[in-house]
Amino acid sequence: SQQGEEDPQALSIQEGENATMNCSYKTSINNLQWYRQNSGRGLVHLILIRSNEREKHSGRLRVTLDTSKKSSSLLITASRAADTASYFCATVGTYPSGNTPLVFGKGTRLSVIA
Amino acid sequence: DTGVSQNPRHKITKRGQNVTFRCDPISEHNRLYWYRQTLGQGPEFLTYFQNEAQLEKSRLLSDRFSAERPKGSFSTLEIQRTEQGDSAMYLCASSPKGQTRGGTGELFFGEGSRLTVL
Repeated sequence: SQQGEEDPQALSIQEGENATMNCSYKTSINNLQWYRQNSGRGLVHLILIRSNEREKHSGRLRVTLDTSKKSSSLLITASRAADTASYFCATVGTYPSGNTPLVFGKGTRLSVIA
Repeated sequence: DTGVSQNPRHKITKRGQNVTFRCDPISEHNRLYWYRQTLGQGPEFLTYFQNEAQLEKSRLLSDRFSAERPKGSFSTLEIQRTEQGDSAMYLCASSPKGQTRGGTGELFFGEGSRLTVL
């Protein structure tokens, strides 16, 4: 089962607008990561935020983390057509062996219209 | 190119046939992961290795699925007696050990191997 759940499932905006995607998760985490996936391609890591951090920036990306609400948001400012992709949040999962590979949500499909 | 390499990129097979996918991770990465992704869904974890040791395999979908990493370098994922429900993208990722203390760090993904079972 998936730990993180993104919201909305799909988002369509005009070029130049900001895009905000949200992620909620269920258990305590060490870090939360955001990935991007172009159609039919592999995933690319965007940003990692640790549980003791509240906000992080990378270029046009801004990520926030609220551990009390078990939620995170990804903001893409001044969006471009090339930002069209699916965006996934990922958190550390728990398995019977105790090992904790990343568990991904279902993603938000972002369409940026030129 | 020093990224994660997956082969073949596309595989079409008939139901009941066996298929094998290969993943070559980034050379200095000792952790290797397999995920499956179906249309409109996020990647679903299958199994992972640290060097040649398979540390977690409880999420392999059935006993028809198996993975190996014999020398701690490349890995193979085999699906025996394929079913139409196995049609999906199979993604491989790698990471260096101990990248972040207390939790899994960034994963580096390959472009995936897309399986179509007719």
